[in-house]
Order: sequence, then structure tokens, then C-alpha cells
Amino acid sequence: DGGITQSPKYLFRKEGQNVTLSCEQNLNHDAMYWYRQDPGQGLRLIYYSQIVNDFQKGDIAEGYSVSREKKESFPLTVTSAQKNPTAFYLCASSIGLLGGGAYNEQFFGPGTRLTVL
Amino acid sequence: AQRVTQPEKLLSVFKGAPVELKCNYSYSGSPELFWYVQYSRQRLQLLLRHISRESIKGFTADLNKGETSFHLKKPFAQEEDSAMYYCALKGNTNTGNQFYFGTGTSLTVIP
Repeated sequence: DGGITQSPKYLFRKEGQNVTLSCEQNLNHDAMYWYRQDPGQGLRLIYYSQIVNDFQKGDIAEGYSVSREKKESFPLTVTSAQKNPTAFYLCASSIGLLGGGAYNEQFFGPGTRLTVL
Repeated sequence: AQRVTQPEKLLSVFKGAPVELKCNYSYSGSPELFWYVQYSRQRLQLLLRHISRESIKGFTADLNKGETSFHLKKPFAQEEDSAMYYCALKGNTNTGNQFYFGTGTSLTVIP
């Protein structure tokens, strides 16, 4: 199924390396989000973007960076400054501020599992 | 501050028994609430939203503003309901929509 895709599914990184996780959507959604999912902690927001060329920090942005050069793409870079990067990362999108109202739910990608060796 | 609380990390019920997954929230405005479900090896997906007052896969959830709750209920649990369930609240900020998720409840339905 299309909609929102993430790649790769599994990613291994050596300590001290930066790594970029891909997120693409063909839903024509304005808003995109990155979450980190850890056991017992639910989903924690890393960054979000409501429109192209604009993004905002979430609750745990330290050690991460993003870009939003295209509406359909919102890549996340996990930098060497992130102290505990091993986790499951989820990307999501939603229509955005100008549409949907209370039906403006999020659609999620399949996730990327990052492991730091 | 916006917050969503799911007090139970793990919940086990027998097949055919009623199930209730608890969710409480705190929000200063008019809340928009959702339940998401994540089945094994599948992506996180929307189960239901409070605005629709719908029943999906036999699940319902009623928004109780007095108790600030949005508990998820099903009268007769099925084995295929075993999954991770997340309660979420959509908040409107001056920088856009944010979704606040609870820590999730892992439901196991015992045959």
C-alpha cells in the first residue's frame, strides 16, 4: 500500500556517524511529523512541519535535524549528538491546518528501526 | 499543558469478555481525540475518532468532558483484537497541529 513510505526498514549505524531516514508521502498532505517509539514510552514527537520550508521542534529534538524542501518529503537526520539513537522511528502526515478539521488524523508510515552498533 | 494518560501498560482479557482501555487527558481547549491501533507487524493506524461517534470493529469510545476521559470499550473481546492501542489528542498551537500520544496499552486476548 502506498500513501506514506519510509526507508530503509532496518538501519545500522556505527557510533559517531550521522544517518538519514527517508519519509515520503503521496497523499498531498501539508503536515508531516517524526516520532520516536520506545517500549513503555509511547510516541514522542521529534520534529514536525506544517508547510514546505518550515518545521518546528517537538519534545525531543536534540540530536536530530530535518528538512522540508518538498511537500512530499521530510527526511530525518540522526546526528552523532543524539545520545541514545537506537529506537523505532515513525513518520506521519496529516492534511494540515487548512483542511479536515476534526477528521484531520495522522497517517503513519511502516517505520524504520535504527540500531547503533 | 496537554497530556494524555493511559494508566495500563498491559491488559489481558479472555475471549468473549468485555474490555476497556482507559485514557484520560488534560487540555485547555476543546479536545479532539483519537484511538490508534498497532497490530503485530503492521503500521500504526487510526481506529476511531471521537467526533464520528462511530463503532469500528466493535469498539466504541465516548468523550466524557467532565471526567476528561476517552475510554475505549468493546463488549466481547476477540483474539484478533490483541494489539497495542494508543490514545491521542490533537492540539492546535500557534505553530500548527500537534498530536499528543499516551504511552500505549498492550492488549492480549486469551483464547
